[in-house]
Amino acid sequence: DAGVTQSPTHLIKTRGQQVTLRCSPKSGHDTVSWYQQALGQGPQFIFQYYEEEERQRGNFPDRFSGHQFPNYSSELNVNALLLGDSALYLCASSLNDYGYTFGSGTRLTVV
Amino acid sequence: DAKTTQPPSMDCAEGRAANLPCNHSTISGNEYVYWYRQIHSQGPQYIIHGLKNNETNEMASLIITEDRKSSTLILPHATLRDTAVYYCIVRVGENNDMRFGAGTRLTVKP
Repeated sequence: DAGVTQSPTHLIKTRGQQVTLRCSPKSGHDTVSWYQQALGQGPQFIFQYYEEEERQRGNFPDRFSGHQFPNYSSELNVNALLLGDSALYLCASSLNDYGYTFGSGTRLTVV
Repeated sequence: DAKTTQPPSMDCAEGRAANLPCNHSTISGNEYVYWYRQIHSQGPQYIIHGLKNNETNEMASLIITEDRKSSTLILPHATLRDTAVYYCIVRVGENNDMRFGAGTRLTVKP
């Protein structure tokens, strides 16, 4: 049973560019959450998607947006990249249960 | 959501029990306590969760005080592979998001 799959694993972008990160949830899971983890810090909640809608959002600017597809997969989009957006981006999925399953993340470097 | 306080780092000898404390003095009656860990360069891994009763699974035990203001995660026989950052999180119900703090960096030493 495949867990959470994220792509790409690594990415380098230039300031001002836009980026799209992808997440396939664990089989049977219908809820996807995205996190940003800067070096040496805990993961910070960006937003959560359920039934193709953003259900909850953390303290992130509108440059961060997302989407969930009918097959429950999800995308995270970041516009107008800043150097400070360099981080590990984690996707987690769940299904009406208490545990999140996390992917291994996408390492984004903005130069 | 309630905030949690954890020591930034702890050491444990291999084969001994690792006891990781967490304070959550403002926890509400409907907030669960969750523990996750993150091994370097990997995504966080679920360990255990509880509401008010003590819980045990194949990975660990969770001891929650009667007033629910603090809890302890116990790894009964720590191994070198248990070296990781451990996060204590309080969460409202099953549809609420997980908010991580800075966690405790546990180092298991031979």
